[in-house]
Amino acid sequence: SQTIHQWPATLVQPVGSPLSLECTVEGTSNPNLYWYRQAAGRGLQLLFYSVGIGQISSEVPQNLSASRPQDRQFILSSKKLLLSDSGFYLCAWSVGDRGELFFGEGSRLTVL
Amino acid sequence: GQNIDQPTEMTATEGAIVQINCTYQTSGFNGLFWYQQHAGEAPTFLSYNVLDGLEEKGRFSSFLSRSKGYSYLLLKELQMKDSASYLCAVRDSNYQLIWGAGTKLIIKP
Repeated sequence: SQTIHQWPATLVQPVGSPLSLECTVEGTSNPNLYWYRQAAGRGLQLLFYSVGIGQISSEVPQNLSASRPQDRQFILSSKKLLLSDSGFYLCAWSVGDRGELFFGEGSRLTVL
Repeated sequence: GQNIDQPTEMTATEGAIVQINCTYQTSGFNGLFWYQQHAGEAPTFLSYNVLDGLEEKGRFSSFLSRSKGYSYLLLKELQMKDSASYLCAVRDSNYQLIWGAGTKLIIKP
């Protein structure tokens, strides 16, 4: 069966520090991969999605970047965090025509 | 612009039935999803509707009317563990998911 893991689960970072969140998927090949951010009381905001290795589409201009170095690995990064980067970050994968998303456990980021 | 509307919060009693509504205005339609999200956790998939009508899955059912831009999630025989947020999402003509802000459902004993 397919599983998805992301880490770390929680982190507290100072403004201006770098960020790296990692996500891996097991049990499937060539998944579509996504990074979302969820702010309190708001809908999920798509940050990046990838249909294959090295193929990244950015939905929102910001100081975040994403990379897909391997088929089942998706990384979210920042060189310098802003206060507004605080939130709940979710990695997800999908396959097939219906395309329902399956989410990782989430990473709660607090920027101070 | 594209928009998904759902109530912010609802309260219901254990053992009862509750209906959570979702209305949408999107550029095209390629399916509607409902997800459940417990506090502090990731969303989990509940249901998918692409044709008009009712899809039943155990205690949960989801209804879609494409002509009205309307869906609802029906939860029967409510249990305390059903306390969660319920997210409605629509896939538009570009196959991008548009998300509602979610409905927080509070179950009282």
